[in-house]
Amino acid sequence: GQQLNQSPQSMFIQEGEDVSMNCTSSSIFNTWLWYKQDPGEGPVLLIALYKAGELTSNGRLTAQFGITRKDSFLNISASIPSDVGIYFCAGRIKAAGNKLTFGGGTRVLVKP
Amino acid sequence: KAGVTQTPRYLIKTRGQQVTLSCSPISGHRSVSWYQQTPGQGLQFLFEYFSETQRNKGNFPGRFSGRQFSNSRSEMNVSTLELGDSALYLCASSLARTSENNEQFFGPGTRLTVL
Repeated sequence: GQQLNQSPQSMFIQEGEDVSMNCTSSSIFNTWLWYKQDPGEGPVLLIALYKAGELTSNGRLTAQFGITRKDSFLNISASIPSDVGIYFCAGRIKAAGNKLTFGGGTRVLVKP
Repeated sequence: KAGVTQTPRYLIKTRGQQVTLSCSPISGHRSVSWYQQTPGQGLQFLFEYFSETQRNKGNFPGRFSGRQFSNSRSEMNVSTLELGDSALYLCASSLARTSENNEQFFGPGTRLTVL
């Protein structure tokens, strides 16, 4: 079945740093989505990507849909403490309707 | 506009019991999908409903079932609960089933604990 490999699994950030995470797959996806989940809450949509090569920003967040349709990355610039949480990538193919396949998540923590 | 609501937020059951979880999508949204989230398996797709019909199903046993009502509200049911069914159950709603510009929005989830 389809699998999304998300890396890194966890990272520490210091306020002001830029951070990056990515997802890769052996399958092609038509849509890539990035979500953030805080403890005790459901995932919140950050960015949606619909076309190969598309680069989209949402404030300090920037995400790209890979040319091969098999990967995507998310960058967070000038990180702040509220960026802490778990970030998930998700992919969707047209034939599967609204079924999302999720990556394992990247846990973003603050450097002590 | 109100977001996706799920009830109850927390539930404790014992093995062998059954449970019903409810999801109210965003007003106007007709598609509802359900996901199970566990530390070991992550977020896994259970099923999707659109216009009261199941459109897609994940790899879960038949103990997991669902339905959608004419007002787009959805319920999922788990029968003969097992310890491994302990998880956060998430509902997501979207306007339609097309791929373009059809974002899915998640509710806060129902935390099910099976003892």
